Amino acid sequence: GNSVTQMEGPVTLSEEAFLTINCTYTATGYPSLFWYVQYPGEGLQLLLKATKADDKGSNKGFEATYRKETTSFHLEKGSVQVSDSAVYFCALSDQSGGSYIPTFGRGTSLIVHP
Amino acid sequence: NAGVTQTPKFRILKIGQSMTLQCTQDMNHNYMYWYRQDPGMGLKLIYYSVGAGITDKGEVPNGYNVSRSTTEDFPLRLELAAPSQTSVYFCASSYGQGGSSPLHFGNGTRLTVT
Repeated sequence: GNSVTQMEGPVTLSEEAFLTINCTYTATGYPSLFWYVQYPGEGLQLLLKATKADDKGSNKGFEATYRKETTSFHLEKGSVQVSDSAVYFCALSDQSGGSYIPTFGRGTSLIVHP
Repeated sequence: NAGVTQTPKFRILKIGQSMTLQCTQDMNHNYMYWYRQDPGMGLKLIYYSVGAGITDKGEVPNGYNVSRSTTEDFPLRLELAAPSQTSVYFCASSYGQGGSSPLHFGNGTRLTVT
């Protein structure tokens, strides 16, 4: 079956540091890949996505590239801010029995200090 | 545009009580989902629906029931609450077709069973 593995957190950084959150996946088909962000007390919201190999998703300074050869979709940001503190979820969507059912990783908590 | 609306935001139940978590969306999405989120465990899919009148079990359906009589509404029923059902519950919806549609989440219901 499908699965998503994320690096464990929390990831603790100082403001303006470089961020990488690793994500690898296992899927039987050709999935779409997503990063979601969850701020305290809120639901998840889409951060970026990529739908085919070598696609790069980007939003709000975050980027991730769909690497089929390494089955990875690592999240990066060049300079984090305190306001980026949140939990980040990697996810994939693949057809299963005719329906597209998302699979989520466990989430990685990011804490950014001033 | 309200998106996905969940009620209530918080609830405390005694063991053996029942309740319904409400979820409605105004985006005319075909797919709707119920997830539970436990600390450090990511999101677990409880039930999902690909359209009005169609529901199917997810990864952790035991102790829950759903119905989908309209496109907009997807309530989750807990019949005999147990402490193991203490969690944060998220409803989500998506357009669904093709797998590249992201999920739109509500803000969650925090349920405590004592």
